Amino acid sequence: GENVEQHPSTLSVQEGDSAVIKCTYSDSASNYFPWYKQELGKRPQLIIDIRSNVGEKKDQRIAVTLNKTAKHFSLHITETQPEDSAVYFCAASMGNFNKFYFGSGTKLNVKP
Amino acid sequence: GAVVSQHPSRVICKSGTSVKIECRSLDFQATTMFWYRQFPKQSLMLMATSNEGSKATYEQGVEKDKFLINHASLTLSTLTVTSAHPEDSSFYICSAPGLAGGYSYEQYFGPGTRLTVT
Repeated sequence: GENVEQHPSTLSVQEGDSAVIKCTYSDSASNYFPWYKQELGKRPQLIIDIRSNVGEKKDQRIAVTLNKTAKHFSLHITETQPEDSAVYFCAASMGNFNKFYFGSGTKLNVKP
Repeated sequence: GAVVSQHPSRVICKSGTSVKIECRSLDFQATTMFWYRQFPKQSLMLMATSNEGSKATYEQGVEKDKFLINHASLTLSTLTVTSAHPEDSSFYICSAPGLAGGYSYEQYFGPGTRLTVT
């Protein structure tokens, strides 16, 4: 089955700095890569996603890049704010109606 | 649109008893739903795929006789934890792909159920 690895496990940045979280996946058949933000005791919230036919996608302060050859994808958050503090998960899926395999999570702490 | 609900949100049960968790798609039909388990400070681990009208598919290492899944209709899947033990205490989350019969990469997550076994 698919194996998704995520690094780092914790990340502390100063408000206004950028944060980068990286994931690798093992199955070349995976073609959909969402990123989720999860606050304690709540459901994961989709913040950005990318499909394998695209190398980069941006939404305001958040961007995701995908390198299919190397099987890795990254989340970039610029101009971080304290409200960005949460746990972030990457995931990989083989697309249409398919199950997700999650990375181990990154706890992001943005210090004011 | 695309709202998924779960019930109950929290449940406490005694060791050895069974507990049922419901997952409902409120405004769309879901022929497939997924069940995840999340231990404190850990990731979401896929337990099983729930299929309407057929048997669930379990991930390796998940006991199918312990975690019974029934996808009774196009909007409801249930997870029953049988003979629960303290090590089953966890946060259980379901999800459903967007639209049955359509083409959907995204999944919609329920709010989760916190199970505590005493």
